[in-house]
Formats: sequence, C-alpha cells, structure tokens
Amino acid sequence: DAGITQSPRYKITETGRQVTLMCHQTWSHSYMFWYRQDLGHGLRLIYYSAAADITDKGEVPDGYVVSRSKTENFPLTLESATRSQTSVYFCASSDMIRVSGNTIYFGEGSWLTVV
Amino acid sequence: AQSVTQLDSQVPVFEEAPVELRCNYSSSVSVYLFWYVQYPNQGLQLLLKYLSGSTLVESINGFEAEFNKSQTSFHLRKPSVHISDTAEYFCAVSLGSGTYKYIFGTGTRLKVLA
Repeated sequence: DAGITQSPRYKITETGRQVTLMCHQTWSHSYMFWYRQDLGHGLRLIYYSAAADITDKGEVPDGYVVSRSKTENFPLTLESATRSQTSVYFCASSDMIRVSGNTIYFGEGSWLTVV
Repeated sequence: AQSVTQLDSQVPVFEEAPVELRCNYSSSVSVYLFWYVQYPNQGLQLLLKYLSGSTLVESINGFEAEFNKSQTSFHLRKPSVHISDTAEYFCAVSLGSGTYKYIFGTGTRLKVLA
C-alpha cells in the first residue's frame, strides 16, 4: 500500500530555474492538494484539485503551476524558482467523504532549497 | 472566518509525565476536528479525529482528545509520554459542509526529555 509518494524528496536548484515536484497517489482519491510548510506560517495551501482536469488556487498560488491530467498524479511546477520558494512541500489527498470527516492524507514531503 | 489557534509553540516535558497540547478553534459552522503528528523529516500523519458522537476520542498510541463545543476546544492529552512522542503536533479543522477547506494550526513542538 504505497499511499502518496512524492519525488524528489530533496532538491537544490538555482534561482530562475524551473522545478517540478511530482505527486502520485494510489487510493483514487478525488481531491489532491499541495501545501508548503514554513516556520511561523504552518501549512499553507498552494493549489488543490477536486478531480482530473479541475484545479483551483489556494492561499499562496503565485509562482506555481499545477496540472492534473490523471486522477493519481498532481505535479507542482515552479516556473522560475525564487529564494522565497525555499520550503518543504507536501502533497496530500482526500476522498472528501463526509462520513470520514474529509480526512486528508499526506505524502512524506519534498525539501526544496533555492539558491 | 474560521481559525485554529495552538497557543503553545513548544512544550518540553519529562518522560513519563503527563502532557496537554491546547487547540482552540473558531467557526460559525459545524466542523470536524483532527490532530496530526509530524515526526522529523516526515509528512503529517493522522493521530485522531472527532466527527460526531462521543466527545472523547483516542488514538492507538495512548493520546486522547476531547471536543468541548462550549469552549470551542479540542485539546490533546497523554497521561505518560515517551521519548518517541517527540514530534510536532498540528490541530486542524475541516468544515462540515464537505468542502475542500482544511484549516491548520501553526503546530506545537513537543519535546520529551529523559
């Protein structure tokens, strides 16, 4: 039972480069999310997707692009990385079924450093 | 607007002592309540959740949390902590309407001392 897998787990990139963080889930959950975690800010939602080909902005979407051509994949792209995007990125998914309280499940995280 | 407040950013406690991590929320609609735990260099794992029914919920590793509607709180407790409980703990609410919206607290870092 793989759950949610993120890759790469650790990445160092240079300012201005494009970076893609991959996320794959095996549960066929309809909803997928990207969060970033920063000291003092907790978890902030970047983008979410309710189903394949349906995506929408969260709290902090600027500088990020997402796509969801297949239910199981939800890649996050930083089109031109900036130092302020140095963070830990978490992918998550949920079946959004009320009887389970919309429980959300997280991947292991991707540590991104922009130099 | 909904919000979640975890007043304590860090809680040091000696091994085998009891601990309480506080969580208060604000919402005008019904919510589901969660505690997640994050061990170093790992993702968040669901610890326990309150959906409805009994206001006291328990996890498999000895934590419990009590939903208090009048005080809008969902404090996490453990009667005797272990070194392995050292982690960051996040309180979260999900709006009962079934929307995507999750609101997380800023986390409490529990450090268990030998």
